[in-house]
Amino acid sequence: GESVGLHLPTLSVQEGDNSIINCAYSNSASDYFIWYKQESGKGPQFIIDIRSNMDKRQGQRVTVLLNKTVKHLSLQIAATQPGDSAVYFCAENSGGSNYKLTFGKGTLLTVNP
Amino acid sequence: SQTIHQWPATLVQPVGSPLSLECTVEGTSNPNLYWYRQAAGRGLQLLFYSVGIGQISSEVPQNLSASRPQDRQFILSSKKLLLSDSGFYLCAWTSLGARAGELFFGEGSRLTVL
Repeated sequence: GESVGLHLPTLSVQEGDNSIINCAYSNSASDYFIWYKQESGKGPQFIIDIRSNMDKRQGQRVTVLLNKTVKHLSLQIAATQPGDSAVYFCAENSGGSNYKLTFGKGTLLTVNP
Repeated sequence: SQTIHQWPATLVQPVGSPLSLECTVEGTSNPNLYWYRQAAGRGLQLLFYSVGIGQISSEVPQNLSASRPQDRQFILSSKKLLLSDSGFYLCAWTSLGARAGELFFGEGSRLTVL
């Protein structure tokens, strides 16, 4: 079946560096993508989203890039801080208006002081 | 503002015992509701979703069932738990308004089956 996956299961960066977390998706019909951050023992929290009619969207210190040609999604975090340490999931909407999100396996981001 | 409540937060149950996890949403009406399961160190697997009262879609065959007796209440159940049912269960909701598709998650229920 079609799925969402991540290239790197772990990522370790130095505080202040920029982080890039990648995600590959295979459902060409997906029209909506979201990045979530999950801290240990908690539910995932929304970071940023992007619809399929866009290729870039910026938030506060975060940018999501969507390349539909190669079915690739990335999350860029600028000036990474220790509080950014968490597991990051990408998700795609494969359910149309029912918004059924399929999540990738997650990338553990560790920020070293 | 909208809030989501999920309970119990932790649960230890013997194999073969029943299960009931509850989730309620406040501050919105007619939300889409979801149950996800997360195994240790893994991603989130969609178990059930509901677009309205009494409307349940099951995503994977399993030992669990879901019900939506009220608009903002979603219940995850099992008659007899298996060891493989252990995991972190997350309830979530989304509206069909301006932020449609953005899932808001509860804090999760950690189930250990012994």
